[in-house]
Amino acid sequence: SQTIHQWPATLVQPVGSPLSLECTVEGTSNPNLYWYRQAAGRGLQLLFYSVGIGQISSEVPQNLSASRPQDRQFILSSKKLLLSDSGFYLCAWAVSGANVLTFGAGSRLTVL
Amino acid sequence: DAKTTQPPSMDCAEGRAANLPCNHSTISGNEYVYWYRQIHSQGPQYIIHGLKNNETNEMASLIITEDRKSSTLILPHATLRDTAVYYCIGQTGANNLFFGTGTRLTVIP
Repeated sequence: SQTIHQWPATLVQPVGSPLSLECTVEGTSNPNLYWYRQAAGRGLQLLFYSVGIGQISSEVPQNLSASRPQDRQFILSSKKLLLSDSGFYLCAWAVSGANVLTFGAGSRLTVL
Repeated sequence: DAKTTQPPSMDCAEGRAANLPCNHSTISGNEYVYWYRQIHSQGPQYIIHGLKNNETNEMASLIITEDRKSSTLILPHATLRDTAVYYCIGQTGANNLFFGTGTRLTVIP
């Protein structure tokens, strides 16, 4: 069966510090991978998605970047965090060509 | 691109059916309607999706109007564990499901 792992679960970082959130998927090959962000009391906003190794599409210009160094690994990064980067970050995967998403447990980021 | 409109909140008595409405008047002919739910502080969970026909699975039923401008998610016997935010989602492009703010369903004992 397929599983998705996301870490760290919680993170408190000062403004201006770097960020790295990691997501890995097991039990499938060539998945579509996604990073979403959810600000407090808001809906989910798609940040990045990837349909293959090294391929990243950005939906919203911002202070963040994503990379996919391996087929089942998706990384969200920032060089310098802003207060507005605080939120609940969710990684998800889907079978290539399908739209049924399976989400990870999320990473809660607080920037102080 | 299909955007959806849902009531911000609803209550339902435990054991009764929960009927969650969604308007998607701009949906195009080949766009599916998806439903997810998010229990507090967890990742969203897929529930069901449909195009034209009504759909049913072990979690819920989805009723789509003939003109496809609205749909209703039905939880036949709501339990306290069904308390969550329910998202009705339109598909906007091959790789983007647009999540709005959803309906916060509270199941009352």
